[in-house]
Amino acid sequence: ETGVTQTPRHLVMGMTNKKSLKCEQHLGHNAMYWYKQSAKKPLELMFVYNFKEQTENNSVPSRFSPECPNSSHLFLHLHTLQPEDSALYLCASSQDGQETQYFGPGTRLLVL
Amino acid sequence: SQQGEEDPQALSIQEGENATMNCSYKTSINNLQWYRQNSGRGLVHLILIRSNEREKHSGRLRVTLDTSKKSSSLLITASRAADTASYFCATVPGGAQKLVFGQGTRLTINP
Repeated sequence: ETGVTQTPRHLVMGMTNKKSLKCEQHLGHNAMYWYKQSAKKPLELMFVYNFKEQTENNSVPSRFSPECPNSSHLFLHLHTLQPEDSALYLCASSQDGQETQYFGPGTRLLVL
Repeated sequence: SQQGEEDPQALSIQEGENATMNCSYKTSINNLQWYRQNSGRGLVHLILIRSNEREKHSGRLRVTLDTSKKSSSLLITASRAADTASYFCATVPGGAQKLVFGQGTRLTINP
C-alpha cells in the first residue's frame, strides 16, 4: 500500500451519467494529481493541486471537473463523458511538485 | 509535449539475465525518476536521481544519469519473474512543479 487510496476501483457509466472519483492520501503531502492513462499512450497529467489550489490544468475538457476540499482529498467529477474517455484514472500525491509521487491503484473507467 | 522517451518499448529476457532500459529527455532537469507499473495498477516509485548525481543503486537496481547526453538508464540485475511490469522514466523539467512521463518499456521475464 502506498498510502493513497482511490474509489471506486471500477466504474461503468453511460454518456449521460454523472459520477465522481475519489482520492485520499494519508501521507501528509501538499500536492495531489490526476492522471489519465489510455492504452498505448503516455501517462497524461490532467490536474495539479498544491495546498488545495489548482496550479495546473492540462487543457482538460470541462466535462472533467476536479475538486480539492483539503490537502488530503481530491475528487474528479465526471459528466457527459465520451467513450474515448474510457481509461485508467490515477491519483498521486507528493510532498512537493518535484519529489517522488505516490500513486493510488487507479479507477478503471468504461464509458458506454 | 513528451519529455522522456524510453527505449526499447518492449523487452523480453530469461529469468536471471540483466535487463537494461534507457530514457532520453529533451530539456534540462531537476531530477529524473523511475517508476514501475504492474498491469492495470498504480505506479510504484523505484528510484530518484538528481541532476548532480551520476549513478545510484537500490538493491538490484542501478540507475545512471548523463546530463550531457540527456539520458538515463535503468539496470535490473538477476531478473525475476516478479520484475515483469512496465517501467517509466519521469523527469522534472527545470523550474517545473510536475513530473513528465515517458511511454514506458514493457519488460517480460520468462521463467
